Amino acid sequence: QKEVEQDPGPLSVPEGAIVSLNCTYSNSAFQYFMWYRQYSRKGPELLMYTYSSGNKEDGRFTAQVDKSSKYISLFIRDSQPSDSATYLCAMSAINDYKLSFGAGTTVTVRA
Amino acid sequence: SAVISQKPSRDICQRGTSLTIQCQVDSQVTMMFWYRQQPGQSLTLIATANQGSEATYESGFVIDKFPISRPNLTFSTLTVSNMSPEDSSIYLCSVEEGQSAGANVLTFGAGSRLTVL
Repeated sequence: QKEVEQDPGPLSVPEGAIVSLNCTYSNSAFQYFMWYRQYSRKGPELLMYTYSSGNKEDGRFTAQVDKSSKYISLFIRDSQPSDSATYLCAMSAINDYKLSFGAGTTVTVRA
Repeated sequence: SAVISQKPSRDICQRGTSLTIQCQVDSQVTMMFWYRQQPGQSLTLIATANQGSEATYESGFVIDKFPISRPNLTFSTLTVSNMSPEDSSIYLCSVEEGQSAGANVLTFGAGSRLTVL
């Protein structure tokens, strides 16, 4: 069993739709949860990170963490064609420089 | 955040040859990381490179296959030795941006896409 599971998609939605992405994990030591966005032929860039359980909102993006279920989500509201990318979840334990990544979900927002 | 330049951006290599990937950072950083990204798979950490010490390799990766140099605080190289088609992948250099409230935030280069024939 992989430490982090992420549905690879692909996911195709019309412009303006809500995009819902999620990851599950098995390591209860994970405390930091991150979402990276990766455009084609580019490196991943940090989108958001959260600590422990709860929600965090940044513009059109909302990250949720449910540690009791070992489940994290990323929601993109009012999706735009520019949101078309691969989204990677990542997580780590406290003071651990090693990140465990999901395989990434490829999202296409159709104009 | 740090700006990372990787060379080459892509290459096509023959089986049995070696290729060295360069990673240049525009600021001094303590830790540099090399990742491999294979299609449909998670980013996998190959090794951690600290200046002035031997790189630390993750399980499944060995120095003979992936020798790393870290001559100073802004530069590192990763060599993929004696390549086979299974080494076809994207190789990414990354640096730690510092811990934001304890989180290890990484900045990545654009990657080096390697195809081995």
